[in-house]
Amino acid sequence: AQKITQTQPGMFVQEKEAVTLDCTYDTSDQSYGLFWYKQPSSGEMIFLIYQGSYDEQNATEGRYSLNFQKARKSANLVISASQLGDSAMYFCAMRDGYGGSQGNLIFGKGTKLSVKP
Amino acid sequence: DTGVSQNPRHKITKRGQNVTFRCDPISEHNRLYWYRQTLGQGPEFLTYFQNEAQLEKSRLLSDRFSAERPKGSFSTLEIQRTEQGDSAMYLCASSPPSAGYNEQFFGPGTRLTVL
Repeated sequence: AQKITQTQPGMFVQEKEAVTLDCTYDTSDQSYGLFWYKQPSSGEMIFLIYQGSYDEQNATEGRYSLNFQKARKSANLVISASQLGDSAMYFCAMRDGYGGSQGNLIFGKGTKLSVKP
Repeated sequence: DTGVSQNPRHKITKRGQNVTFRCDPISEHNRLYWYRQTLGQGPEFLTYFQNEAQLEKSRLLSDRFSAERPKGSFSTLEIQRTEQGDSAMYLCASSPPSAGYNEQFFGPGTRLTVL
């Protein structure tokens, strides 16, 4: 069965520094998608970045990049130049199958990031 | 506001009562998902629709839970005979067919408290 593991319950980072949030996954499928979402205290899940299992380059979206290491089954999120507004819960998620053949996302337990001024 | 909307935002009910939540997806998003999130956990998948068809249901969706999307637009999630263990945030998300449904846009959630 698919599984997402986030081993860091909480992380602290100094404002303007970079931080890496860890995510490992387990799947027997060859094609899958990996996602990161941010959940501020308001509760809404905000999509950050996506990586497909066949994508050869690491995904980047502004200050977010995904460090995808397929052989190690890891998909770490790197946030550069942290801002106070980055303080939130961060969830790694996986969807199996390409082309929408499977609908649901499987989420990890999340990492609470706190940015210190 | 063209995002996913959910109503009500908060619901407090007594054990044994029935509750119904509504989700309005982003226009033209033909996939709609329901998730449940308990304190300290990530969201857990409940069910999803493609247009009006319910394509997948999680084993978490007991027979007290039912979801509908009658016209392929808004969806409702009903919980009958609520139990204290049903207390959670219920999240709805929608997804467009572009890029293989890769991105799911979430609503603000409905927080259910069962007393």
